Amino acid sequence: SQKIEQNSEALNIQEGKTATLTCNYTNYSPAYLQWYRQDPGRGPVFLLLIRENEKEKRKERLKVTFDTTLKQSLFHITASQPADSATYLCALGGMDSSYKLIFGSGTRLLVRP
Amino acid sequence: GAVVSQHPSWVICKSGTSVKIECRSLDFQATTMFWYRQFPKQSLMLMATSNEGSKATYEQGVEKDKFLINHASLTLSTLTVTSAHPEDSSFYICSALRAGTSTDTQYFGPGTRLTVL
Repeated sequence: SQKIEQNSEALNIQEGKTATLTCNYTNYSPAYLQWYRQDPGRGPVFLLLIRENEKEKRKERLKVTFDTTLKQSLFHITASQPADSATYLCALGGMDSSYKLIFGSGTRLLVRP
Repeated sequence: GAVVSQHPSWVICKSGTSVKIECRSLDFQATTMFWYRQFPKQSLMLMATSNEGSKATYEQGVEKDKFLINHASLTLSTLTVTSAHPEDSSFYICSALRAGTSTDTQYFGPGTRLTVL
């Protein structure tokens, strides 16, 4: 069956450390993968997109890797801050001619001051 | 840029009534919009794809007669939950694709919290 898995348990880290979140998928062949941030009671906010032919993408303190062999993406936040506390969603796209996204259930990140 | 709004942000209604939710792209045109539903502590589940000027495409298991979608212009899509029941209570979120660009990025609205009593 098709699955997208993100750690359901919250990730609790100290301010200043690097947070690493994982997104694994099975039986999908995405052309691209996206990461979103969602705060409670709000819609997701786009962070980064990485395509199947890209290994790594960076944006300020954010870094995403994409391994299509392992069917895994890692999302890193360096020098984490309490303001980074939120739920982070990965989403697979480009599996057909539409622009539909299939979302994981998200991982909650808590950054302690 | 790329701001998407939703109205209302929250609504409480009685069982059996219909509720309309609007999704607007404020500073860009969107030929395609999506409607999602999210239950507490769960992922966003795609309900339907809304294309301007044509019928919406619904995902498997979503009743098209219950969730009416109208994409009347390049900046507005509406979702009407007809004869709402308590099990329809959820967080409804829309997203929009910016027309005329090669980006695959969806821009999301802030969501609408529907509570059916």
